[in-house]
Amino acid sequence: DAGITQSPRHKVTETGTPVTLRCHQTENHRYMYWYRQDPGHGLRLIHYSYGVKDTDKGEVSDGYSVSRSKTEDFLLTLESATSSQTSVYFCAISFSGGDTGELFFGEGSRLTVL
Amino acid sequence: QKEVEQNSGPLSVPEGAIASLNCTYSDRVSQSFFWYRQYSGKSPELIMSIYSNGDKEDGRFTAQLNKASQYVSLLIRDSQPSDSATYLCAVEGGSEKLVFGKGTKLTVNP
Repeated sequence: DAGITQSPRHKVTETGTPVTLRCHQTENHRYMYWYRQDPGHGLRLIHYSYGVKDTDKGEVSDGYSVSRSKTEDFLLTLESATSSQTSVYFCAISFSGGDTGELFFGEGSRLTVL
Repeated sequence: QKEVEQNSGPLSVPEGAIASLNCTYSDRVSQSFFWYRQYSGKSPELIMSIYSNGDKEDGRFTAQLNKASQYVSLLIRDSQPSDSATYLCAVEGGSEKLVFGKGTKLTVNP
């Protein structure tokens, strides 16, 4: 199985605080993705990366930034968390390593912003 | 923006029946189509990919694609209670990244 580890798995924070979610892969894949999943909206792409220091915005990127300094790690940062960012966040890599829709998802990080 | 529409359900079928899940998409240039299964509280997992018009079978699962009608479906034969989950349709192609539908919740009753 492809190896993705997300941390933390659960986090409760207060409005206005910074939050960083980490995605770690052991597959040496080039493409990595961050999604959020909310009731009534499904899965939506926040940001993705196509290599070290190469990132691009997705559908719902406002309020989020990302960084990728190593192939294996893709960080998602909420600079100042808001209640609307309460969600489940999934990291994903593609099975093939390329930019395809055949994705393997991490276990998710549940974030609650009070 | 590309739209992917699914009936939210819940779709309820008896054990052993055929479950039929449907998905329509708005962007005619879409090229790749996927079905993901998501159990409650778990992450999505890929169960089928289809790229050409027609049917693609994998075990009890059959994906059907009709690009002219902009329609993709998933049939689950001999449905089992373990198939109870939310099924997500996803579409890729054109200028946008993979877009997911909101999912259809399937319940298979013993």
